[in-house]
Amino acid sequence: DIQMTQSPSSLSASVGDRVTITCQASQDISNYLNWYQQKPGKAPKLLIYDASYLETGVPSRFSGSGSGTDFTFTISSLQPEDIATYYCQEYDNLPPLTFGGGTKVEIK
Amino acid sequence: QVQLVQSGAEVKEPGASVKVSCKTSGYSFTSYGITWVRQAPGQGLEWMGWISAYNDNTNYAQKLQGRVTLTTDTSTNTAYMELRSLRSDDTAVYYCARDLSFSPSIFDYWGQGTLVTVSS
Repeated sequence: DIQMTQSPSSLSASVGDRVTITCQASQDISNYLNWYQQKPGKAPKLLIYDASYLETGVPSRFSGSGSGTDFTFTISSLQPEDIATYYCQEYDNLPPLTFGGGTKVEIK
Repeated sequence: QVQLVQSGAEVKEPGASVKVSCKTSGYSFTSYGITWVRQAPGQGLEWMGWISAYNDNTNYAQKLQGRVTLTTDTSTNTAYMELRSLRSDDTAVYYCARDLSFSPSIFDYWGQGTLVTVSS
């Protein structure tokens, strides 16, 4: 099974800060990597698919990059509504399909 | 617009079964797959399995193999997840999600979630 190591597990940043989350796969997954946002009590929401493609309707301050084993998710200017937990998810070698452990983003 | 509406919360005793429904609308049901994901209280996301609404092909997480069955009803555009031999650690919110591809991949629309509580 592919392991997805996501870091940090939590972070605190100020409004307007640049926020970066990383996800490392235990083996090469090409660009088969998605990012989701989950607000408390809500279902996850797709933000980035195939490592770097912005889902329709998602603000451009969100971006993703990487391929192979190392991936990065960035919020260029943190907004109050971005408070949430973010998850990476791979789909290279099934089953199973694996999520990262999540990163809880809070406002400082 | 695309919608996935799940059935309501359930409370089950250990050893029982639960069947959660996911009624879809706003898109061509048989052109996509449905993935099921669960989330235990305070924990992360766990993929359970996937079903093609086109041909009923399935792909299950090995951890749940033998206890979970995914089905679809194309007459009502509804997907179902049945989990048997419930244990306390099956207590979780269960989500269905539309899958963009003909294999588990990208989940662009999600149901609201169904809380399943397993308790004696």
